[in-house]
Amino acid sequence: DTEVTQTPKHLVMGMTNKKSLKCEQHMGHRAMYWYKQKAKKPPELMFVYSYEKLSINESVPSRFSPECPNSSLLNLHLHALQPEDSALYLCASSPSDTSYEQYFGPGTRLTVT
Amino acid sequence: QKEVEQNSGPLSVPEGAIASLNCTYSDRGSQSFFWYRQYSGKSPELIMSIYSNGDKEDGRFTAQLNKASQYVSLLIRDSQPSDSATYLCAVNIWGQGAQKLVFGQGTRLTINP
Repeated sequence: DTEVTQTPKHLVMGMTNKKSLKCEQHMGHRAMYWYKQKAKKPPELMFVYSYEKLSINESVPSRFSPECPNSSLLNLHLHALQPEDSALYLCASSPSDTSYEQYFGPGTRLTVT
Repeated sequence: QKEVEQNSGPLSVPEGAIASLNCTYSDRGSQSFFWYRQYSGKSPELIMSIYSNGDKEDGRFTAQLNKASQYVSLLIRDSQPSDSATYLCAVNIWGQGAQKLVFGQGTRLTINP
């Protein structure tokens, strides 16, 4: 079963709100990823966690704060976002950070007002 | 030069014909290559992975890799309207001391009944 789940499916938040996106996988994968995707563009890598440790931060603004509580869970904490942060946020996982077969969750559609 | 390049299309193919999608990459050290399919409003779905020069077939899909030419392609035989989607080429590339997956811009494919 190559299933990654994400909640919520949709999120509307104001620029002063704090919210969190959640991602979960039960495939025993040890690497997890956050991507941002704008309309008609490819996914852009934001963060990589390998064995629960942050291994790549693609110079993402500090208003995005990732967290990996355990090997199955990945969170993305959002604070003081801008309207241009509105996008589809995708979580993915792979068996390890040297195995590149990444499996994506359905995404969270975020709108910042 | 972009790290991964694809013709953005749109590519229009009649039903039952062969659709041919192409991708070039810049990092000669890349070892892993993937094709993802993304329907409008959905997340990317892994459909093919290829690691060695030559062809790899899976049902109606054939991935082709030529590392000397830094070229990857995807052939879809007997194209169906349900194959209409954006196809993303993804390549592993070294960055920040770790490997990461980089996506091309995607090729939008339309299969005409």
